[in-house]
Amino acid sequence: GQNIDQPTEMTATEGAIVQINCTYQTSGFNGLFWYQQHAGEAPTFLSYNVLDGLEEKGRFSSFLSRSKGYSYLLLKELQMKDSASYLCAVRAPGGSYIPTFGRGTSLIVHP
Amino acid sequence: NAGVTQTPKFRILKIGQSMTLQCTQDMNHNYMYWYRQDPGMGLKLIYYSVGAGITDKGEVPNGYNVSRSTTEDFPLRLELAAPSQTSVYFCASSKTDMNTEAFFGQGTRLTVV
Repeated sequence: GQNIDQPTEMTATEGAIVQINCTYQTSGFNGLFWYQQHAGEAPTFLSYNVLDGLEEKGRFSSFLSRSKGYSYLLLKELQMKDSASYLCAVRAPGGSYIPTFGRGTSLIVHP
Repeated sequence: NAGVTQTPKFRILKIGQSMTLQCTQDMNHNYMYWYRQDPGMGLKLIYYSVGAGITDKGEVPNGYNVSRSTTEDFPLRLELAAPSQTSVYFCASSKTDMNTEAFFGQGTRLTVV
């Protein structure tokens, strides 16, 4: 089976930096996704990591450590519009490698 | 540029009724998926398809059926609706398997009373 853990909720201040963690325990590993989902809307793709290390994309960065079963999403220069749920999803052998999603982390950015 | 289109956006069903949630994509994607999302929970995979004529069960398939007669369309059928099927349903597609970005529809909010 697969187990994916994320904090349920986080709060941060506009302009600050926030790190959202995701830990996973899976039978094998073939990649990790981060998606953003605003309330009442569809998830949208943020990043995909398959190798260890940091991938930077504008204000957002995603890190992966396969040996530790750990990833984080780093959001810099927070804006109010970053208030959303952030979903971690892991691909593993079995089930045609369709990713399994964690419960998501609700991020609240306040002024 | 439509992407993934789901209909309807909202629906209220009575227990025991049936309905079909429609999903169509115009990106010529091979892979299509149906997820449900309950409050405070992540996305749970109901069914998926890797191409026309091929479907397979996901994590929570009971009470649902799908078909994939064309590349574009992937309808989800609910037979004998139950309150436990109250949820938000998302259809998604991706070019190959989910090694690549998946595109989601806007969701269908279904209530079974």
